[in-house]
Amino acid sequence: EAQVTQNPRYLITVTGKKLTVTCSQNMNHEYMSWYRQDPGLGLRQIYYSMNVEVTDKGDVPEGYKVSRKEKRNFPLILESPSPNQTSLYFCASGPRGSNEKLFFGSGTQLSVL
Amino acid sequence: AQTVTQSQPEMSVQEAETVTLSCTYDTSESDYYLFWYKQPPSRQMILVIRQEAYKQQNATENRFSVNFQKAAKSFSLKISDSQLGDAAMYFCAYRSPGFGNEKLTFGTGTRLTIIP
Repeated sequence: EAQVTQNPRYLITVTGKKLTVTCSQNMNHEYMSWYRQDPGLGLRQIYYSMNVEVTDKGDVPEGYKVSRKEKRNFPLILESPSPNQTSLYFCASGPRGSNEKLFFGSGTQLSVL
Repeated sequence: AQTVTQSQPEMSVQEAETVTLSCTYDTSESDYYLFWYKQPPSRQMILVIRQEAYKQQNATENRFSVNFQKAAKSFSLKISDSQLGDAAMYFCAYRSPGFGNEKLTFGTGTRLTIIP
């Protein structure tokens, strides 16, 4: 089954404790991206990657890191989480240039205390 | 930069009735793509309908249809014969064409409640 898998679905942590949210897709997509969803703000792009070893900032990259060492994986790293990073996070993937839909993961609800 | 505006934070409709969700956008591009995504309580992002700006014909998918007014930069979603399963947050989104960042620019969402 074609899917984007995110883990974990829920995460509660404390300020300053490094964490990684994993994202993996099995559709051989070149393009992958991370979004955060906040009430009243919709979804905003954090980082994106157009291929292996190619990443770039989205609209709200501060406080986040990503890597793309393999085509299928695109982890989101919070090296020193803060309470303002409490949010719902989505990973998405798609074939480049197809202009078809993006495939979304099922989301990770992060709470930073 | 493109922006997407959904001016109705919440809407409600009686089951089996029709409801229209509004979306406007701002862009200087002539070619682009517009989407409506549904987010039920499960949080999954589900594509409802997609419209290509160069196509005059409004997209339809079963009970879902859009009213795309390119000159007015308006992209509303009409849900006919509303069902309980349609209850969700609905997001309008914009995407530029081509091989650049495939970013979706989202509106702030409209929460739709279905009244039995």
